[in-house]
Formats: sequence, C-alpha cells, structure tokens
Amino acid sequence: EVQLLESGGGLVQPGGSLRLSCAASGFTFSSYAMSWVRQAPGKGLEWVSAISGTGGNTYYADSVNGRFTISRDNSKNTLYLQMNSLRAEDTAVYYCAKDPHNNGWSYYYFDYWGQGTLVTVSS
Amino acid sequence: DIQMTQSPSSLSASVGDRVTITCRASQGITNYLAWYQQKPGKVPKLLIYAASTLQSGVPSRFSGSGSGTDFTLTISSLQPEDVATYYCQKYNSAPPTFGPGTKVDIK
Repeated sequence: EVQLLESGGGLVQPGGSLRLSCAASGFTFSSYAMSWVRQAPGKGLEWVSAISGTGGNTYYADSVNGRFTISRDNSKNTLYLQMNSLRAEDTAVYYCAKDPHNNGWSYYYFDYWGQGTLVTVSS
Repeated sequence: DIQMTQSPSSLSASVGDRVTITCRASQGITNYLAWYQQKPGKVPKLLIYAASTLQSGVPSRFSGSGSGTDFTLTISSLQPEDVATYYCQKYNSAPPTFGPGTKVDIK
C-alpha cells in the first residue's frame, strides 16, 4: 500500500525558514517523480515543485522559485522541501504527491497524496 | 502560463441526478487533463486522467470527455458520497495548473 507521510510544518515568522519531509513507502520510491502541492486555507490547489526520480531534475512554480528547494534521498525514501524567506502568502497545507509513471520523469499529475502538513507564516 | 477555468463554481443537485462540470483551458492542451475529487477535510483523489481514462477503483458513474480546450466531468447518477469539490488540472507542461474548483452538494 502506497503511503506518504509529511512532517515538519508549523508556525514560522515572515522571513523564516522551514524544512518539510515526506516519508514514502509501499512503492519503489526512486522510480517515481514526486511533487509538492499546497492549499491555502479555504482555497484551491497550487502546484509548488517537482523532482525527477533520480533527483537530477527539479521544477518550481514562479511563486516559490529562488526561495524553495526540493530534494530527495532515495536511500531513505524521503522527499524534502526547504522553504526560505517565507511570506504570509505561503501559509497553506503542503501535500507531497506521487507521479503515476515509474520511469522517473514528471508527468505532473498525481495518483497518491499524503495527508498534508500545515505551514503558517505569521508574526 | 495556461489558465484553467471551471463552471459552475458550485452546484446543488438531487440524489440520482446527472451532474456535469465544465473545465476550459486558455490554450489547447490536447488531452493532458486530470480531474480530482476532494471531500471536505480530506486529501485530493485522482478520478480521471488523459481527459477520459478512469483511475483504478473509481466508480463508473464518473466519466470525462473533451480535448483541446474544453472538457467535462460527468457524474451519471449523483450519490451522497459524491459531495466534494472537484478540480480539473492540466499537465501538458510545467507548471501544472489546477482549476478553481466546483463545489457539489446535495439538494
């Protein structure tokens, strides 16, 4: 059974940093691209970032490019999102999401989602 | 970037009704279109990809159609467990973009 478990969310001041983790199990992690998708309270879904199966290719939304860094440790079956220079508008539930195809490339749609971790940026 | 719109933004229908949600892309995306269901307080669930391919385990009352810029999600017979917000998403290229959502409830 595919499981994705996010952690690392919390309250942070504007300008601060936070690192999210997503522990994956139930599939060959290194064979699949992964993404982070966020949802502000009461709002819709916004794709944030993606990474290929090997970790060699990364992609970012314009809204986070230069501030967030996606990475993965395939030996630990874990996906990360390093978030720097956080802003109030980054407040959201952050989901990690799995790509459906096992060739390691991002197809940018998602067949499994974690439960999410809430990031609140406020002073 | 390609923008996605959905209509209506919300709807209320009776159990057993046929429900149709429309999604429109600002540019052609061939059939690179997915639909998700998000029940209140829950995680999004993939319903349909490639515009019309039903994800494994999804009830057959859900169907998708369309190509290019115009797409539809149809629920052939609305059930109480279908109360949710439905999102379309284009994925022909980065950035993948979601529509604003359509909230469906029971009349």
